[in-house]
Order: sequence, then structure tokens, then C-alpha cells
Amino acid sequence: AQSVTQPDIHITVSEGASLELRCNYSYGATPYLFWYVQSPGQGLQLLLKYFSGDTLVQGIKGFEAEFKRSQSSFNLRKPSVHWSDAAEYFCAAYYNTNAGKSTFGDGTTLTVKP
Amino acid sequence: GAVVSQHPSRVICKSGTSVKIECRSLDFQATTMFWYRQFPKQSLMLMATSNEGSKATYEQGVEKDKFLINHASLTLSTLTVTSAHPEDSSFYICSARDGRADSPLHFGNGTRLTVT
Repeated sequence: AQSVTQPDIHITVSEGASLELRCNYSYGATPYLFWYVQSPGQGLQLLLKYFSGDTLVQGIKGFEAEFKRSQSSFNLRKPSVHWSDAAEYFCAAYYNTNAGKSTFGDGTTLTVKP
Repeated sequence: GAVVSQHPSRVICKSGTSVKIECRSLDFQATTMFWYRQFPKQSLMLMATSNEGSKATYEQGVEKDKFLINHASLTLSTLTVTSAHPEDSSFYICSARDGRADSPLHFGNGTRLTVT
């Protein structure tokens, strides 16, 4: 079955430090990959997406993600975290064969220390 | 672009009553809409998938008679929680995608339902 794994449930970083959130996907074919961010009590906002081509994709709010086929990974990075980045982050995969449905990871909660 | 509007953002209702939640795509045609339920500190749980003009497809374990979904147009889907009970209290989120294979999901801001 298709699955998306976010190994880190909770990450704490200091403001100004770099950030990497991990995401691994399963399945034979390469899916479309997305990262979303959710602030408390809100819906999800798209940060970036990967379909094909350049494996390093740039997103909003200074985030980027790198697709590595050999590792089935799509890790999210930010060079310098701001206190406003504290939120829940979800990695998601979309497979054309899954009736239009996306598969979500369990999410990673990011806490930013002053 | 690609804005999804979800209303209401919060609703409190009494046990036994029904509540309707609307999800509208404001600037694109949503061929497919999804309804999720999210428990505190958890990921999204897909409840059902709706395609315009056809019956919704419910995930296993979701009561279709309790959670009525209508996708009457390319810009509007509704979720009606019928005969609500306190255990139905949750955060409900809709999302929509257009017909392109590479379309991401566009999410509404969610509805916090509290059943008293």
C-alpha cells in the first residue's frame, strides 16, 4: 500500500538555526510530492511541490525541498528558521492510480525556541 | 489564486441536530473535493471523496448516512453531519483539486464543530 512516513513527530530548533524535516514515500512509481504547513486551527497551506525535473524545488516562506529517488525521500529544509515557522508540517504524495486521493504523513510539529 | 472557502469556521450545535458545512472553490473549478476529519495532534483522516455530479465515495468506517456529502456544482461541496452527537465534535477540513494530474490540494480553513 502507498504510504508516506515522517519519522520525526516533534522537532525543536532555535530561531535562526537551520531546519530539515524528513519525508519518505513508498510505492514503485514516483508520485507527485507536496509539503503543507498547518497553523493551529487552520487549514493546510501548500509550501511547495515536486512533479519532475529539477530535484531541488523552491517554495514559499524560504522553504526548499530535495527529491532523492534513491532514498525515496523528499526532505524539507530552511536555512534559518523564524519564530513564525512554528506549526505542523505535512508531507503528502499523490499517485495517479489512487483515484485522485493523496496520502499524508502523520505530520511533524515544529517548535521554535527564542 | 486557487482559494477554497470553507464555512462556518466554528459551529456549536445541540445533540440530535444537523449541521451543514460548505466548501467553495472561489477561482477554479474543483472537479474533485475531499472531506477530512482531524483529531487533535493527528494527521488528516480522509472521510470521503466527491466528484461533481456523482455520489461521494466514502472511506471504510465512515457512515455515509451520518455524513452526507453533496457536490452539486464544480465550485461547491457540502458536508452535512446529521443527528450530531458529542463524539462527532472535531475539526473538519475540505480540500479541492482541479482536473489536472499535477494539481495540488487546496484546503479550506477548516470548521471546528462542537456538539453539546
